[in-house]
Amino acid sequence: QSALTQPASVSGSPGQSITISCTGTSSDIGFYNYVSWYQQHPGTAPKLLTFDVHKRPSGVSNRFSASKSGNTASLTISGVQTDDEADYYCCSYTNTNTLVFGGGTKLTVL
Amino acid sequence: QVQLVESGGGVVQPGKSLRLSCVGSGSILSNYFMHWVRQAPGKGLEWVALISFDGNSRSHADSVKGRFTVSRDNSNNTLYLQMNSLRAEDTAQYFCARVPPYSNFAPYSMAVWGRGTTVIVSS
Repeated sequence: QSALTQPASVSGSPGQSITISCTGTSSDIGFYNYVSWYQQHPGTAPKLLTFDVHKRPSGVSNRFSASKSGNTASLTISGVQTDDEADYYCCSYTNTNTLVFGGGTKLTVL
Repeated sequence: QVQLVESGGGVVQPGKSLRLSCVGSGSILSNYFMHWVRQAPGKGLEWVALISFDGNSRSHADSVKGRFTVSRDNSNNTLYLQMNSLRAEDTAQYFCARVPPYSNFAPYSMAVWGRGTTVIVSS
């Protein structure tokens, strides 16, 4: 199972909105509504931001929203803050009963 | 406060075995599906394995299939990862993770994570 495709890096200024894409295939993102997004700061464990495409766990800011269209999922961060500078990973269930992560995207807040 | 604590990591020679453990506190792990995820130094996340709440259903990544086995002991609130025939490319930090509440029908995300335990495979 090949990793999902994410841009290596994105950047934005405080207060802007940014979107990170995650492209898979009809065997994962395109077929199942089981996409999740994670934030990871250096040296720490990942944190779940959204799951089942657009659901947000309790305690996660509503500045984080996610969607899916075809084989591509997206994470949007509204009103980017300096604390949002981190690595972001998408993940999807696949048709082989496994999960696959994206390669990760480094967000830089300018 | 739900907490997961991994242990069992260390330095091991290629071809050898290691067993990782993950103990839960503040949460009855037997109610949840559980995952193992790893991260090689400086690299991204890689899903490793998933086990059902009762241990009767398991799935492993192709990269570890036949070498690694996920299991659990619900009486001790503990998750395991038995790693055999270790290779240099298995060097990574290994995280255990619990699915979100009410997600046992679609246990395909990780809501609670441990801090990880480090495995280094080197001669």
